[in-house]
Amino acid sequence: QKEVEQDPGPLSVPEGAIVSLNCTYSNSAFQYFMWYRQYSRKGPELLMYTYSSGNKEDGRFTAQVDKSSKYISLFIRDSQPSDSATYLCAMNYGGATNKLIFGTGTLLAVQP
Amino acid sequence: NAGVMQNPRHLVRRRGQEARLRCSPMKGHSHVYWYRQLPEEGLKFMVYLQKENIIDESGMPKERFSAEFPKEGPSILRIQQVVRGDSAAYFCASSLTGDTTGELFFGEGSRLTVL
Repeated sequence: QKEVEQDPGPLSVPEGAIVSLNCTYSNSAFQYFMWYRQYSRKGPELLMYTYSSGNKEDGRFTAQVDKSSKYISLFIRDSQPSDSATYLCAMNYGGATNKLIFGTGTLLAVQP
Repeated sequence: NAGVMQNPRHLVRRRGQEARLRCSPMKGHSHVYWYRQLPEEGLKFMVYLQKENIIDESGMPKERFSAEFPKEGPSILRIQQVVRGDSAAYFCASSLTGDTTGELFFGEGSRLTVL
């Protein structure tokens, strides 16, 4: 069983739709949770960073963490064609190292 | 303020040759991480280095792979006697601090193809 599970998609939605992306994890020791966006042939860029269970909002993006269920989500409101990318969840154990464990990524296509 | 710079962006090697991938971290960053992304897989941690020191190499294959981050110059990931299974995108990330408070900034990757 992988430490972090993520549906690879692809996920295709019309412009303006609400997108929901999810990851589950098996190790309750994970402390910090992140979402990265990766455009084709580019490096990942950090979108959201959360620590505790609950919601964190930044513009059109909302990150949700449920530690009791070992489940994290990223919601994108009013999706745009420019949101078309691969979305990677990532997490770490906290402490003195920033070693990240990534999901496989979900490929999102927002159709104009 | 330049981001993380990786070169070469694309590298083609024949089986048995050596591959050297270079990473210059963002200005002021002394913590470097290397990740590998295989086709259809997520990024896998390989190694974490601070200037002149390897801090965590738990993700490095035991043989043929090595990494360094000298006092002067870029970090280098070296793969000796490459095999087809080494074909992947290799990403470098840097951070200002080595702990979880430091955001990782990724380069655009070096794509290795082994013929």
